[in-house]
Amino acid sequence: NAGVMQNPRHLVRRRGQEARLRCSPMKGHSHVYWYRQLPEEGLKFMVYLQKENIIDESGMPKERFSAEFPKEGPSILRIQQVVRGDSAAYFCASSDQTGSYEQYFGPGTRLTVT
Amino acid sequence: GEDVEQSLFLSVREGDSSVINCTYTDSSSTYLYWYKQEPGAGLQLLTYIFSNMDMKQDQRLTVLLNKKDKHLSLRIADTQTGDSAIYFCAASGSARQLTFGSGTQLTVLP
Repeated sequence: NAGVMQNPRHLVRRRGQEARLRCSPMKGHSHVYWYRQLPEEGLKFMVYLQKENIIDESGMPKERFSAEFPKEGPSILRIQQVVRGDSAAYFCASSDQTGSYEQYFGPGTRLTVT
Repeated sequence: GEDVEQSLFLSVREGDSSVINCTYTDSSSTYLYWYKQEPGAGLQLLTYIFSNMDMKQDQRLTVLLNKKDKHLSLRIADTQTGDSAIYFCAASGSARQLTFGSGTQLTVLP
C-alpha cells in the first residue's frame, strides 16, 4: 500500500516563474492537506481539500497561490510568479473518508527560488 | 488561534529515557499528535491521543496529557541512536487542520 506521494521532490524556479507541486494521497484517502515548512520552523497549514472541493483555505496566501484536487488525478498546489520568500518545503498529507483525524504525510517538495 | 510551543533541543545518552514536552493554548483541541522528522524526509506519525485520555502507551512510546495545564509529553524509553530526529507536537480541533510546534531536535549520544 503506497504512502502519500509527492513530486517533484526538488524544484528550482527563477523569480517570476510558476511552480506546480503534485500530491497523490494514500490509496483510499479522499482528504488532502497542504502545509509549508520554512527553514528552521514547524509546518504551517495552508489548505484542506476533498475531491473537487476546497474545504478550508484559511492558511493560503491571498495572491499567487491556488490549490485543486480534481475528480481524477493528483492534488496540485500552484504558485504563480514565485518570489524568494516562497522557498520552502511543501508537504502534503492525506486522511481517509471516515473522518479519521490521522494525517499521513508525503516526503515533501523542496522549492528553491533563485 | 492555537499556539503550540516546544523546547528546541534535547540531548540524551543512548539507553536513557527521553522526555519531550509541549504546551498548547486552545482548550478545545481534540487530538494531539507526535510526529518524527528525519533529515530531508517527511513527517512520520508516531502516535496521537484524544483529549479525553490521560495517557497512551505504544511500545517504547508513552504520551501523557494534562488537559488542565494544556501540557503534552512524549517519553521514549531506551532511546537509541536511530531515534535522533526532530519531534513535532501538533494539535487539531474540529477544523481538522494541524497546528504544529517548532519541533524539538533530539540528539542521542553514544
